[in-house]
Amino acid sequence: KQEVTQIPAALSVPEGENLVLNCSFTDSAIYNLQWFRQDPGKGLTSLLLIQSSQREQTSGRLNASLDKSSGRSTLYIAASQPGDSATYLCAAVNTGGFKTIFGAGTRLFVKA
Amino acid sequence: DAGVTQSPTHLIKTRGQQVTLRCSPKSGHDTVSWYQQALGQGPQFIFQYYEEEERQRGNFPDRFSGHQFPNYSSELNVNALLLGDSALYLCASSPRRGRDTQYFGPGTRLTVL
Repeated sequence: KQEVTQIPAALSVPEGENLVLNCSFTDSAIYNLQWFRQDPGKGLTSLLLIQSSQREQTSGRLNASLDKSSGRSTLYIAASQPGDSATYLCAAVNTGGFKTIFGAGTRLFVKA
Repeated sequence: DAGVTQSPTHLIKTRGQQVTLRCSPKSGHDTVSWYQQALGQGPQFIFQYYEEEERQRGNFPDRFSGHQFPNYSSELNVNALLLGDSALYLCASSPRRGRDTQYFGPGTRLTVL
């Protein structure tokens, strides 16, 4: 049974700081891993998707890496801004059916 | 392209009642997944519909059921509502049975009194 864990649960940083959010999963038989952003009371916005055969993906100030062997993914945010304040969720999509399992998220607050 | 739409936005029901939530997927997407998100938690997978059939199911009781129509839109039905069913219900659509990026709707906030 796939379990996804995100550390830390909450993070507060000053504007301009580079930061890393961590995601770990117990079953390496994943099809892909996705990172999402969620603003309070809203739906989820897709940030990055990493296929199981890939090691990383980049979009603007965001970089996500994937290490299937160790069951880990990280989301790197460069030069953080107050607008980055949100909850960041990672989700593992399993092979053989594509069931999506989410972590509980990391709540990020970037102080101006 | 309107993206993924959900209705209603908010809903208040009492224990024991039944509720139906609706989802229209993004244009070109044939797969719809439903999630339940309690406050402060990540979304929990309820089930996935593809080609009008339930293809995958999470750890939810039979009180939760769904349907997908020929135009790929979907409904989530919850019977015999419990207080614990209060949550944000999210719908996500994707092409190719979830192999690609999932696009989420804004959600329906269900409150059970």
